[in-house]
Amino acid sequence: NAGVTQTPKFRVLKTGQSMTLLCAQDMNHEYMYWYRQDPGMGLRLIHYSVGEGTTAKGEVPDGYNVSRLKKQNFLLGLESAAPSQTSVYFCASSYRGLAGARGETQYFGPGTRLLVL
Amino acid sequence: AQKITQTQPGMFVQEKEAVTLDCTYDTSDPSYGLFWYKQPSSGEMIFLIYQGSYDQQNATEGRYSLNFQKARKSANLVISASQLGDSAMYFCAMRAGSGGGADGLTFGKGTHLIIQP
Repeated sequence: NAGVTQTPKFRVLKTGQSMTLLCAQDMNHEYMYWYRQDPGMGLRLIHYSVGEGTTAKGEVPDGYNVSRLKKQNFLLGLESAAPSQTSVYFCASSYRGLAGARGETQYFGPGTRLLVL
Repeated sequence: AQKITQTQPGMFVQEKEAVTLDCTYDTSDPSYGLFWYKQPSSGEMIFLIYQGSYDQQNATEGRYSLNFQKARKSANLVISASQLGDSAMYFCAMRAGSGGGADGLTFGKGTHLIIQP
């Protein structure tokens, strides 16, 4: 099992360019998440999905869009990149979402480093 | 609102000593999960240990244990017999909600642990 994988590992964009980050998981998890990590900080939730065909906004959703067309994939899009979106992006997945119950543990991908010039 | 506080920005510990990393949390939800993640210099987020709010016993995973004191709202991570490979950033995180909410994790700012030979 590969777990959670992310593509690409590193990318440099110019302001205004667009790109899509791909997250894939092979654990048959229902829930998937996108986070960003900025220097000296913990992770912050961008968007999440509770199942195929569903998405919802997290703490910092502005400037991003997501899609979950297949259960195993969760895409994060930047339509017009800005320097403020320079960050490390992590995808995560979990089996279930009920807080306080076993199975809610989120497993993370290796991250994508994005630099917007 | 949910909040995680980690009061130790950095710690130096001698190899083979036990380490306690502090974490306090704040939530009004009765259902929540508490997590610890390790982030080595390579950048990935590695899941260490989980404690559910209804769990009666403190969680243990190998050399890791979680000292869960519900009344004090603390969830300290204890690493027994520290090793050089334990040097990393450690993040405490929480996920709270009732009714099957699928919001993401709320992270603390982390503790940078350095194990000295």
